[in-house]
Amino acid sequence: QQQVKQSPQSLIVQKGGISIINCAYENTAFDYFPWYQQFPGKGPALLIAIRPDVSEKKEGRFTISFNKSAKQFSLHIMDSQPGDSATYFCAASVGSQGNLIFGKGTKLSVKP
Amino acid sequence: DSGVTQTPKHLITATGQRVTLRCSPRSGDLSVYWYQQSLDQGLQFLIQYYNGEERAKGNILERFSAQQFPDLHSELNLSSLELGDSALYFCASSVGTRIGELFFGEGSRLTVL
Repeated sequence: QQQVKQSPQSLIVQKGGISIINCAYENTAFDYFPWYQQFPGKGPALLIAIRPDVSEKKEGRFTISFNKSAKQFSLHIMDSQPGDSATYFCAASVGSQGNLIFGKGTKLSVKP
Repeated sequence: DSGVTQTPKHLITATGQRVTLRCSPRSGDLSVYWYQQSLDQGLQFLIQYYNGEERAKGNILERFSAQQFPDLHSELNLSSLELGDSALYFCASSVGTRIGELFFGEGSRLTVL
């Protein structure tokens, strides 16, 4: 019930391509869905987040798509750049609680 | 730079020992969270403190304990260490208790030999 399942584990995309990472959850009480980006040797940093009252949120080249009925959400990175190479984590939480449940991460490599 | 400071960055110790990891949250943040990151388990929530009080508990072992001091810094104590405790331990902070952006430190890498 508390898991967030993330796929794929790793992803290789050519520069300029679209990177797509998917996550699924079971707990319908989750009401906050962030994506974190982590570079080697650094802590995760918030990239973009969505709440279930909207189906899509876009910030620059990054878009979250949210499907409440399917209990799935995804991150799309448009025009992927080598600087986007990092590990991406989806997460979920119940709003009144402070702890995030993270997916296991996707290692993205963008080839020049 | 997230503004969250963790020390030490690296720590190597032996099984059975005890270590203390320290975290200074961002200025003004009252909540501190501890996470464990390992290759097989990913990022696992351990515990949250808000203004000195324990607020939420996750998959924290009984051998582990934490506290948040009046100056809001936090310490994570790991005792009777086992090989499987080798991991990256992250501290994060946020302004309040309701979830929003968590600001993570750069982590403390613990190696148990």
